This record gives sequence, C-alpha cells and structure tokens, in this order.
Amino acid sequence: SQTIHQWPATLVQPVGSPLSLECTVEGTSNPNLYWYRQAAGRGLQLLFYSVGIGQISSEVPQNLSASRPQDRQFILSSKKLLLSDSGFYLCAWSSSGGYNEQFFGPGTRLTVL
Amino acid sequence: ILNVEQSPQSLHVQEGDSTNFTCSFPSSNFYALHWYRWETAKSPEALFVMTLNGDEKKKGRISATLNTKEGYSYLYIKGSQPEDSATYLCAFNRAGTALIFGKGTTLSVSS
Repeated sequence: SQTIHQWPATLVQPVGSPLSLECTVEGTSNPNLYWYRQAAGRGLQLLFYSVGIGQISSEVPQNLSASRPQDRQFILSSKKLLLSDSGFYLCAWSSSGGYNEQFFGPGTRLTVL
Repeated sequence: ILNVEQSPQSLHVQEGDSTNFTCSFPSSNFYALHWYRWETAKSPEALFVMTLNGDEKKKGRISATLNTKEGYSYLYIKGSQPEDSATYLCAFNRAGTALIFGKGTTLSVSS
C-alpha cells in the first residue's frame, strides 16, 4: 500500500530564516506530487505541483520554491521566511492517470515569529 | 479564474440530525468532483470521486449527488454523530489539471 510522509510535524522559525520541508511517498512510482498551504481562516491553496523529476509548476508567486530531486521526494523551501508564510502545509500525491484523487500527508504546522 | 464555492461555511447540529452541504463549481469542461473529510489535527481523507452527471455515491451515513450541467454537488449526512465533526472539502478539476478546492464546510455535532 502507498504511504506518504512529511516532516517535521511542527516548526517554529524566526522571520528571515530558511525553510526546508520534506515529503516522501512509498509504494507507488511516478506519482504527481503537490504542496498545499492552509493559512489561518482560509482554504487549501495549491502552491506547487510536479508531474515528474525536476518538473515543477508554481501556482502562486511567492518567496517559496519547490524541488523534486527524486521520483518520490518533494521538497518545499524558502531562503527567507515571512510572517505571512505561517500556516499548515500539506503534501499530497496522486496517480499519474485517473481522476487525480489525491492522498495527503500528515502536514506540517509552520509558525513564523 | 476558476472558483469552487461551498456553503454554509459552518454549521452546528445536534446528534441525530441530518444535514447537507453544497458545493458549486464551473460546469464547463467538467472532469471530476471530489469530496474530502478533514478532521482537526489530521490530514484530509478522500470520501468520494464523482465523474458522471447524476452520480450518487454512498459510504455509510454519508452520501453525495452530482449535477454537472448546473455545476453543483450535495453532501448529505444522515443521523449526524459527534465523530462526524470535521471540515468537509470539495474540489473540482478539469482533465489534466490540478484540483481546485473550496474553503470547506465545518460541521460541529453536539451530543
């Protein structure tokens, strides 16, 4: 069966510090991978998605970036965090075919102070 | 800009009440409509994927209907229980595109 891992579970970072959140998927190959954010009082916002190694599509201009160095690894990064980057970050995967049903990781709660 | 609207934003019901929520989405180039259940401190869990106009899906006390021509889906919960308390998200996509999520309906069920 497929599983998706995210870490860390919680993170408190000062403004201006770097960020690296990691997501890995097991039990499937060539998945589509996604990064979402839920800011306080808002819905799920798609940040990035990837259909393959090195292929990243950005949905929202921001100071975040994503990379996919391996087939089942997706990394969300920032060089300098802003207060507005606080939120709950979710990684998800879907099969490359089908109706794009997505399966979510446990999430990372990021607080930028 | 594609938009998915959910209503109500939140609601509070008593144990045993039946309830329903609405999801509205663009009706053109429809591909699939998804419902997710998101409990606090957990990750969203897929409930249904609906693809055909007139689709009805059921899982236990939860069911959903789909109208692709007019662009709406209803989620029904029969005999709500406290464990049904969660945020219910719907998401829409066209072929080959990422899901677009609504903001969700947060249900609170009191015993």
